[in-house]
Amino acid sequence: KQEVTQIPAALSVPEGENLVLNCSFTDSAIYNLQWFRQDPGKGLTSLLLIQSSQREQTSGRLNASLDKSSGRSTLYIAASQPGDSATYLCAVPSNTGKLIFGQGTTLQVKP
Amino acid sequence: DTGVSQDPRHKITKRGQNVTFRCDPISEHNRLYWYRQTLGQGPEFLTYFQNEAQLEKSRLLSDRFSAERPKGSFSTLEIQRTEQGDSAMYLCASSSSEEETQYFGPGTRLLVL
Repeated sequence: KQEVTQIPAALSVPEGENLVLNCSFTDSAIYNLQWFRQDPGKGLTSLLLIQSSQREQTSGRLNASLDKSSGRSTLYIAASQPGDSATYLCAVPSNTGKLIFGQGTTLQVKP
Repeated sequence: DTGVSQDPRHKITKRGQNVTFRCDPISEHNRLYWYRQTLGQGPEFLTYFQNEAQLEKSRLLSDRFSAERPKGSFSTLEIQRTEQGDSAMYLCASSSSEEETQYFGPGTRLLVL
Protein backbone atom coordinates (compact mmCIF):
# COMPACT_ATOMS: atom_id res chain seq x y z
CA LYS A 1 0.00 0.00 0.00
CA GLN A 2 1.42 3.33 -1.07
CA GLU A 3 2.10 5.79 1.74
CA VAL A 4 3.25 9.37 1.27
CA THR A 5 4.96 11.35 4.02
CA GLN A 6 5.95 15.00 4.16
CA ILE A 7 8.45 16.41 6.58
CA PRO A 8 8.41 18.88 8.24
CA ALA A 9 4.73 19.45 8.99
CA ALA A 10 5.37 23.17 9.42
CA LEU A 11 8.16 25.53 8.48
CA SER A 12 8.75 29.21 9.18
CA VAL A 13 11.44 31.16 7.35
CA PRO A 14 12.37 34.83 6.85
CA GLU A 15 11.65 36.40 3.49
CA GLY A 16 14.36 35.85 0.90
CA GLU A 17 15.53 32.46 2.12
CA ASN A 18 15.81 29.47 -0.17
CA LEU A 19 14.04 26.41 1.21
CA VAL A 20 13.40 22.74 0.53
CA LEU A 21 10.26 20.76 1.22
CA ASN A 22 10.50 16.99 1.40
CA CYS A 23 8.19 14.23 0.23
CA SER A 24 8.79 10.49 0.52
CA PHE A 25 6.78 7.56 -0.80
CA THR A 26 6.96 3.86 0.00
CA ASP A 27 6.26 2.27 -3.40
CA SER A 28 8.71 3.43 -6.05
CA ALA A 29 6.55 2.08 -8.90
CA ILE A 30 5.03 5.47 -9.68
CA TYR A 31 4.58 7.07 -13.09
CA ASN A 32 4.54 10.67 -11.87
CA LEU A 33 4.48 12.87 -8.79
CA GLN A 34 2.56 16.10 -8.40
CA TRP A 35 3.12 19.08 -6.10
CA PHE A 36 0.18 21.27 -5.09
CA ARG A 37 -0.30 24.49 -3.17
CA GLN A 38 -3.30 25.05 -0.90
CA ASP A 39 -4.23 28.39 0.63
CA PRO A 40 -6.30 28.31 3.84
CA GLY A 41 -9.88 27.21 3.19
CA LYS A 42 -9.27 26.91 -0.54
CA GLY A 43 -8.88 24.17 -3.11
CA LEU A 44 -5.59 22.87 -4.50
CA THR A 45 -3.53 24.53 -7.19
CA SER A 46 -1.24 22.31 -9.23
CA LEU A 47 2.34 23.58 -9.18
CA LEU A 48 4.44 20.94 -10.91
CA LEU A 49 4.06 17.42 -12.24
CA ILE A 50 7.19 15.32 -12.69
CA GLN A 51 7.04 12.25 -14.89
CA SER A 52 8.84 9.15 -13.62
CA SER A 53 11.31 9.50 -16.49
CA GLN A 54 12.25 13.01 -15.39
CA ARG A 55 14.56 14.00 -12.58
CA GLU A 56 13.61 17.68 -12.35
CA GLN A 57 10.85 20.09 -13.32
CA THR A 58 11.05 23.86 -12.99
CA SER A 59 8.47 26.63 -12.92
CA GLY A 60 9.69 30.12 -12.06
CA ARG A 61 11.19 30.06 -8.55
CA LEU A 62 10.06 26.48 -8.01
CA ASN A 63 12.11 23.40 -8.78
CA ALA A 64 10.92 19.88 -8.07
CA SER A 65 13.16 16.84 -8.17
CA LEU A 66 12.29 13.16 -8.18
CA ASP A 67 14.41 10.18 -7.15
CA LYS A 68 12.27 7.10 -7.68
CA SER A 69 14.84 4.62 -6.45
CA SER A 70 15.04 6.27 -3.04
CA GLY A 71 11.34 7.14 -2.93
CA ARG A 72 11.89 10.86 -2.52
CA SER A 73 10.94 14.16 -4.06
CA THR A 74 11.89 17.67 -3.04
CA LEU A 75 10.34 21.03 -3.82
CA TYR A 76 12.88 23.83 -3.82
CA ILE A 77 11.59 27.40 -3.46
CA ALA A 78 14.10 30.11 -4.26
CA ALA A 79 14.06 33.59 -2.75
CA SER A 80 10.92 32.97 -0.71
CA GLN A 81 8.27 35.70 -0.45
CA PRO A 82 5.41 36.23 2.02
CA GLY A 83 3.01 35.33 -0.80
CA ASP A 84 4.51 31.83 -0.81
CA SER A 85 2.92 31.20 2.60
CA ALA A 86 0.57 28.24 2.14
CA THR A 87 0.37 24.48 2.60
CA TYR A 88 2.30 22.45 0.07
CA LEU A 89 1.12 18.93 -0.73
CA CYS A 90 2.75 16.20 -2.74
CA ALA A 91 0.78 13.35 -4.28
CA VAL A 92 1.42 10.21 -6.29
CA PRO A 93 -1.16 8.43 -8.44
CA SER A 94 -2.28 4.86 -8.02
CA ASN A 95 -2.61 2.70 -11.13
CA THR A 96 -6.23 3.89 -11.43
CA GLY A 97 -5.20 7.54 -11.30
CA LYS A 98 -6.48 8.44 -7.85
CA LEU A 99 -4.01 10.59 -5.97
CA ILE A 100 -2.46 9.56 -2.67
CA PHE A 101 -1.44 12.64 -0.71
CA GLY A 102 1.01 13.42 2.02
CA GLN A 103 -0.12 15.38 5.05
CA GLY A 104 1.34 18.60 3.71
CA THR A 105 3.93 21.11 4.88
CA THR A 106 2.56 24.45 6.07
CA LEU A 107 4.99 27.20 5.13
CA GLN A 108 5.10 30.67 6.67
CA VAL A 109 7.38 33.25 5.12
CA LYS A 110 7.87 36.20 7.44
CA PRO A 111 8.44 39.69 5.97
CA ASP B 1 -13.94 30.76 -16.02
CA THR B 2 -13.20 27.30 -17.43
CA GLY B 3 -11.88 25.74 -14.21
CA VAL B 4 -13.53 23.17 -11.96
CA SER B 5 -16.46 24.62 -10.04
CA GLN B 6 -18.23 23.33 -6.95
CA ASP B 7 -21.51 24.29 -5.37
CA PRO B 8 -22.21 25.19 -2.62
CA ARG B 9 -18.93 26.51 -1.25
CA HIS B 10 -20.16 26.16 2.33
CA LYS B 11 -22.88 24.05 3.92
CA ILE B 12 -24.02 23.94 7.53
CA THR B 13 -26.49 21.23 8.41
CA LYS B 14 -27.88 19.43 11.39
CA ARG B 15 -26.99 15.85 12.17
CA GLY B 16 -29.32 13.46 10.41
CA GLN B 17 -30.05 15.71 7.44
CA ASN B 18 -29.17 14.84 3.84
CA VAL B 19 -26.88 17.07 1.79
CA THR B 20 -25.93 17.11 -1.88
CA PHE B 21 -22.90 18.72 -3.48
CA ARG B 22 -22.31 19.43 -7.14
CA CYS B 23 -19.11 19.47 -9.17
CA ASP B 24 -18.73 20.82 -12.69
CA PRO B 25 -15.43 19.63 -14.20
CA ILE B 26 -13.44 21.25 -16.96
CA SER B 27 -15.61 20.64 -19.99
CA GLU B 28 -13.34 18.38 -22.04
CA HIS B 29 -12.22 16.27 -19.06
CA ASN B 30 -13.55 12.72 -18.97
CA ARG B 31 -12.21 11.83 -15.52
CA LEU B 32 -13.72 13.15 -12.30
CA TYR B 33 -12.56 12.49 -8.73
CA TRP B 34 -14.02 13.24 -5.30
CA TYR B 35 -11.77 13.65 -2.26
CA ARG B 36 -12.37 14.52 1.38
CA GLN B 37 -10.00 16.60 3.48
CA THR B 38 -10.08 17.10 7.24
CA LEU B 39 -8.14 19.76 9.08
CA GLY B 40 -4.39 19.30 8.98
CA GLN B 41 -4.53 16.31 6.66
CA GLY B 42 -4.02 15.74 2.98
CA PRO B 43 -7.06 14.93 0.82
CA GLU B 44 -8.28 11.33 0.85
CA PHE B 45 -9.77 9.67 -2.21
CA LEU B 46 -13.50 8.91 -2.18
CA THR B 47 -14.54 7.92 -5.69
CA TYR B 48 -13.65 8.18 -9.38
CA PHE B 49 -15.64 8.42 -12.61
CA GLN B 50 -14.52 7.94 -16.16
CA ASN B 51 -17.25 9.49 -18.26
CA GLU B 52 -20.47 8.33 -16.58
CA ALA B 53 -19.03 5.11 -15.16
CA GLN B 54 -18.07 5.00 -11.48
CA LEU B 55 -14.92 2.90 -11.63
CA GLU B 56 -13.62 3.01 -8.09
CA LYS B 57 -14.94 3.69 -4.60
CA SER B 58 -12.95 4.03 -1.40
CA ARG B 59 -13.83 2.11 1.74
CA LEU B 60 -14.29 5.59 3.22
CA LEU B 61 -17.44 5.83 1.13
CA SER B 62 -19.97 4.24 3.46
CA ASP B 63 -23.47 3.30 2.34
CA ARG B 64 -24.62 6.76 3.41
CA PHE B 65 -22.60 8.25 0.56
CA SER B 66 -23.59 8.09 -3.08
CA ALA B 67 -22.11 9.76 -6.12
CA GLU B 68 -23.39 10.07 -9.66
CA ARG B 69 -22.26 11.45 -12.98
CA PRO B 70 -25.30 10.75 -15.10
CA LYS B 71 -24.28 12.28 -18.43
CA GLY B 72 -20.55 12.17 -18.02
CA SER B 73 -20.42 15.89 -17.30
CA PHE B 74 -21.27 17.25 -13.83
CA SER B 75 -21.27 15.03 -10.76
CA THR B 76 -23.19 15.03 -7.49
CA LEU B 77 -22.14 13.65 -4.12
CA GLU B 78 -24.93 12.98 -1.65
CA ILE B 79 -24.52 12.23 2.03
CA GLN B 80 -27.56 10.80 3.78
CA ARG B 81 -28.18 10.99 7.53
CA THR B 82 -25.15 13.20 8.10
CA GLU B 83 -22.98 12.67 11.17
CA GLN B 84 -20.62 15.08 12.89
CA GLY B 85 -17.72 13.02 11.58
CA ASP B 86 -18.73 13.96 8.04
CA SER B 87 -17.61 17.54 8.69
CA ALA B 88 -14.80 18.16 6.21
CA MET B 89 -13.85 19.85 2.96
CA TYR B 90 -15.12 17.91 -0.05
CA LEU B 91 -12.94 18.44 -3.10
CA CYS B 92 -13.62 17.60 -6.71
CA ALA B 93 -10.94 17.24 -9.37
CA SER B 94 -10.96 16.49 -13.07
CA SER B 95 -8.45 15.37 -15.65
CA SER B 96 -8.30 14.09 -19.20
CA SER B 97 -6.95 10.78 -20.43
CA GLU B 98 -4.29 12.66 -22.36
CA GLU B 99 -3.04 14.82 -19.49
CA GLU B 100 -2.34 13.37 -16.06
CA THR B 101 -2.56 16.60 -14.08
CA GLN B 102 -5.64 16.75 -11.88
CA TYR B 103 -7.28 20.16 -11.56
CA PHE B 104 -9.11 20.85 -8.35
CA GLY B 105 -12.18 22.89 -7.60
CA PRO B 106 -12.47 25.29 -4.64
CA GLY B 107 -14.15 22.65 -2.48
CA THR B 108 -17.34 22.50 -0.43
CA ARG B 109 -16.84 22.93 3.29
CA LEU B 110 -19.40 20.93 5.26
CA LEU B 111 -20.14 21.50 8.94
CA VAL B 112 -22.50 19.07 10.65
CA LEU B 113 -23.87 20.37 13.96
